[in-house]
Amino acid sequence: ETGVTQSPTHLIKTRGQQVTLRCSSQSGHNTVSWYQQALGQGPQFIFQYYREEENGRGNFPPRFSGLQFPNYSSELNVNALELDDSALYLCASSRTGETQETQYFGPGTRLLVL
Amino acid sequence: DAKTTQPNSMESNEEEPVHLPCNHSTISGTDYIHWYRQLPSQGPEYVIHGLTSNVNNRMASLAIAEDRKSSTLILHRATLRDAAVYYCIPMDSNYQLIWGAGTKLIIKP
Repeated sequence: ETGVTQSPTHLIKTRGQQVTLRCSSQSGHNTVSWYQQALGQGPQFIFQYYREEENGRGNFPPRFSGLQFPNYSSELNVNALELDDSALYLCASSRTGETQETQYFGPGTRLLVL
Repeated sequence: DAKTTQPNSMESNEEEPVHLPCNHSTISGTDYIHWYRQLPSQGPEYVIHGLTSNVNNRMASLAIAEDRKSSTLILHRATLRDAAVYYCIPMDSNYQLIWGAGTKLIIKP
């Protein structure tokens, strides 16, 4: 148990819809990173939030957006869903400022786009 | 970004040591090497990390080559619960992890 929770655990949407995924970080952590993991592949970095600001972004289009709240929890929003967005979405919390901070992952949200 | 090369899969017998290799020839001088593992149907979990010298913790040991172009994760006595995908990951200057495909470790009873 890492103390990082994600909701929902599973979700089914249709192409063109919008989805919001949620993540509660571990106590004392101020940074949240989001990853997309397609079946059989390693996680791909989407973006990271630190103190409510985006702090780095991977190669994902603008329809992937996020928020971080004052309590450091976070949301990932995906607009205009495409079939290829079907994946496991992982969030990880960490404490920026620590040398080589360890990331603690939640169990993920599995999204299926039909 | 530094790229890594790992075997797609490896097999080992239970209660024997396992050596998981990783090549990271393009790593920069300040990038740490992190190892995470992902058990089936779970999120990844941290295993160990290091920069230049060998590192030990309760889960594993990490041996880093002198030229830093490769490293080896060592599980001293593998159990069935160690069956997972193991990722070798350079951490970039923004503290962001860049993942490859990892090595699927199969433990035979």
